[in-house]
Amino acid sequence: TQLLEQSPQFLSIQEGENLTVYCNSSSVFSSLQWYRQEPGEGPVLLVTVVTGGEVKKLKRLTFQFGDARKDSSLHITAAQPGDTGLYLCAGRIYNQGGKLIFGQGTELSVKP
Amino acid sequence: EAQVTQNPRYLITVTGKKLTVTCSQNMNHEYMSWYRQDPGLGLRQIYYSMNVEVTDKGDVPEGYKVSRKEKRNFPLILESPSPNQTSLYFCASSGAPDRLAFFGQGTRLTVV
Repeated sequence: TQLLEQSPQFLSIQEGENLTVYCNSSSVFSSLQWYRQEPGEGPVLLVTVVTGGEVKKLKRLTFQFGDARKDSSLHITAAQPGDTGLYLCAGRIYNQGGKLIFGQGTELSVKP
Repeated sequence: EAQVTQNPRYLITVTGKKLTVTCSQNMNHEYMSWYRQDPGLGLRQIYYSMNVEVTDKGDVPEGYKVSRKEKRNFPLILESPSPNQTSLYFCASSGAPDRLAFFGQGTRLTVV
């Protein structure tokens, strides 16, 4: 069974702080996605990274794909209470068609 | 409006009573997939379909069946539900697995 280890599982910070969430695996991914999920709703796609070493920015969010395409990180600068939610990474396994595996998720709480 | 529609939203059933959760998308997407979400485990892929009549197992296919007779529909069938299938289920569709942008509203299933 392929695993995508996401850490930390829980994160509670004050408004204005920076944070980083990590996803790591021994598997190589052809692409990796990051999602944000609110309670009672389906995940919302934030970004897809496909090239080893790729860095994408979405306002205060920075996503990086590892050079070997086995890991990724999400960095949030100056977190806001509106960033509160469940963050999920998901990887498409190289050479396994449409199979996707998700990390366990990171519950982020940003307090004003 | 582009959407993925799941029904029902909530279902309580008894062990062994066959049930079907429907999923329909109106975006002519080729890729559709089913997930279950359990606390601390993130989303786990049950089955996916790359196109009509093409389905394949995800990470946790045991106890589930799917069919893809037409492009828009991808029902999830539990032939003999058991309590360990109590979970929150999501259907999703996209033009490709790397861009999983459209999730249904979720189906909360309880098997007693």
